[in-house]
Amino acid sequence: AQSVTQLDSQVPVFEEAPVELRCNYSSSVSVYLFWYVQYPNQGLQLLLKYLSGSTLVKGINGFEAEFNKSQTSFHLRKPSVHISDTAEYFCAVSEAGAAGNKLTFGGGTRVLVKP
Amino acid sequence: DTAVSQTPKYLVTQMGNDKSIKCEQNLGHDTMYWYKQDSKKFLKIMFSYNNKELIINETVPNRFSPKSPDKAHLNLHINSLELGDSAVYFCASSQASGGSHNEQFFGPGTRLTVL
Repeated sequence: AQSVTQLDSQVPVFEEAPVELRCNYSSSVSVYLFWYVQYPNQGLQLLLKYLSGSTLVKGINGFEAEFNKSQTSFHLRKPSVHISDTAEYFCAVSEAGAAGNKLTFGGGTRVLVKP
Repeated sequence: DTAVSQTPKYLVTQMGNDKSIKCEQNLGHDTMYWYKQDSKKFLKIMFSYNNKELIINETVPNRFSPKSPDKAHLNLHINSLELGDSAVYFCASSQASGGSHNEQFFGPGTRLTVL
């Protein structure tokens, strides 16, 4: 069974500073990797996903993530954050070919952008 | 316009009651899901349906019964509500589960409070 660990539960960051959110996963088979964002009192929205190919994936709102198979990581980065990036960020994994398209989520990282 | 909608948005009820949450998607997707997000923001899948057929049932108590009258709707009925059922419940949908890489679109959530 797969699992996802987000190493930081909370990340405070100043506006216009860079941010990196760490995600590690565990699985015995090939996986697909996702980052979702949850703004306050809203549902989840997909930021980006890694399926195959280039290990550097670019998403919406200036976010990018890098898949590292040897380290089983999929860290999310943004070079310069805005106040509007304040949200909860979830890393998720699904096993390739698994029935039901099951997503397993990490515990989330709360990003608080300060002016 | 809403892609995945849920009703109600808030639900406050007494222990022991029976309640339902409705979910509808207008994206033409074949697969729908229910997730539970607890007070610590941890997200876990409960059920997955594909074309009205149950695909995933993640060891959820049988007090929870999903019902899919058609592929655009997946309702969640909960019997004999307990305090521990208090959470935010998210509905989601995606294209057919033939690809576990398909993006899941989430509804806005239903905050259930059991008193």
